[in-house]
Amino acid sequence: EVQLVESGGGLVQPGRSLRLSCTASGFTFDDYAMHWVRQAPGKGLEWVSGISWNSGSIRYADSVKGRFTISRDNAKNSLYLQMNSLRAEDMALYYCAKDSNLVVGTVPGVLDHWGQGTLVTVSS
Amino acid sequence: EIVLTQSPATLSLSPGERATLSCRASQSVGSYLAWLQQKTGQAPRLLIYDASNRATGIPARFSGSGSGTDFTLTISSLEPEDFAVYFCQQRYNSYTFGQGTKLELK
Repeated sequence: EVQLVESGGGLVQPGRSLRLSCTASGFTFDDYAMHWVRQAPGKGLEWVSGISWNSGSIRYADSVKGRFTISRDNAKNSLYLQMNSLRAEDMALYYCAKDSNLVVGTVPGVLDHWGQGTLVTVSS
Repeated sequence: EIVLTQSPATLSLSPGERATLSCRASQSVGSYLAWLQQKTGQAPRLLIYDASNRATGIPARFSGSGSGTDFTLTISSLEPEDFAVYFCQQRYNSYTFGQGTKLELK
């Protein structure tokens, strides 16, 4: 059974940093691209970033480009999101999601499994 | 950015009834449209991908149709566990999501 478990969320002041983690199990982690998707309180879903199986292709939403960095450690079956210069509008539940494809290509893959999410609260 | 508009915002039905949810894209997404189910406090779950393909383990009462800009999710006979929020999502150009349809118990 595919399992994705996020961690690292919490309360952070505007302008500060936070690092999210996602630990995967139940599938061969380095056979698939991975993504972060967020959901602000009471709002819809927003794709944040994606990374290919070997970190060779990485993409970001314009809203986080230059502030967030996605990475992965295949030896640890883990996905990360380093979030710098956090803003109030970054406050959301952050989900880790598995792609059906190896790479983050021109046509992205199906997001076929999702974690439960970790909550990031940005407030002074 | 491709905008997905879902209707209705809320659908009130009873178990056993048929549910029809709609999703309209601001431009063609081909067949690259998925449907997700989200229950309160739970992770989103993939139901349908590429407009009409059921994901692994999804019951046959869930079906999807459409192409281009207009898509439909149909639940043929509602079970108590089907009351949830449903999102459509496109992958034709990056990923965007609809705002959701809440399927509530009448």
